[in-house]
Amino acid sequence: AQSVTQLDSHVSVSEGTPVLLRCNYSSSYSPSLFWYVQHPNKGLQLLLKYTSAATLVKGINGFEAEFKKSETSFHLTKPSAHMSDAAEYFCVVSQAAGNKLTFGGGTRVLVKP
Amino acid sequence: NAGVTQTPKFRILKIGQSMTLQCTQDMNHNYMYWYRQDPGMGLKLIYYSVGAGITDKGEVPNGYNVSRSTTEDFPLRLELAAPSQTSVYFCASSKFSGATNEKLFFGSGTQLSVL
Repeated sequence: AQSVTQLDSHVSVSEGTPVLLRCNYSSSYSPSLFWYVQHPNKGLQLLLKYTSAATLVKGINGFEAEFKKSETSFHLTKPSAHMSDAAEYFCVVSQAAGNKLTFGGGTRVLVKP
Repeated sequence: NAGVTQTPKFRILKIGQSMTLQCTQDMNHNYMYWYRQDPGMGLKLIYYSVGAGITDKGEVPNGYNVSRSTTEDFPLRLELAAPSQTSVYFCASSKFSGATNEKLFFGSGTQLSVL
């Protein structure tokens, strides 16, 4: 069985300050991990993915995430938030068998000017 | 590039009515998926298809049906709408299995309310 827990349902930051979105996972196998972003009234868009190569993964729009096996975490960060980062973010874990992706509950990010 | 196109964007149904959510993709992707998104719950897989003529149940298939007669189209059918089916529905596609490291492409969603 696999599961994903996003530790914060809402995160509020000021423009220009760092963003940290926390994600913990459990998986019986070596997982693939993803972060997706959903802007209002849009479909989800892939930010980045981890697939057992480098543990620090760089994505689009200045985001990056670090895979820490010992902590079963895959936290998403960005050094400086922009107003356009206001969106909902989903951490996703997958296992190869069964075409199964498991989504976290999402973290809604508010960016204040 | 149209990508994944879903129609309609919004719909209100009465209890017991039926409807079909349409999904089409123009990327020649083998895999297609239907998810529902409930507040604070992430996305749940309803049905998926690995190619034309092949469909399989996901986590929450009850109350829904699908078909995949062509590579491009993957409609989702609600036969007897219930209030529990009020949700936002997303169609997605990928060239190969999304459960490996494959990127999913999502449509913009259908907001469905059953009253």
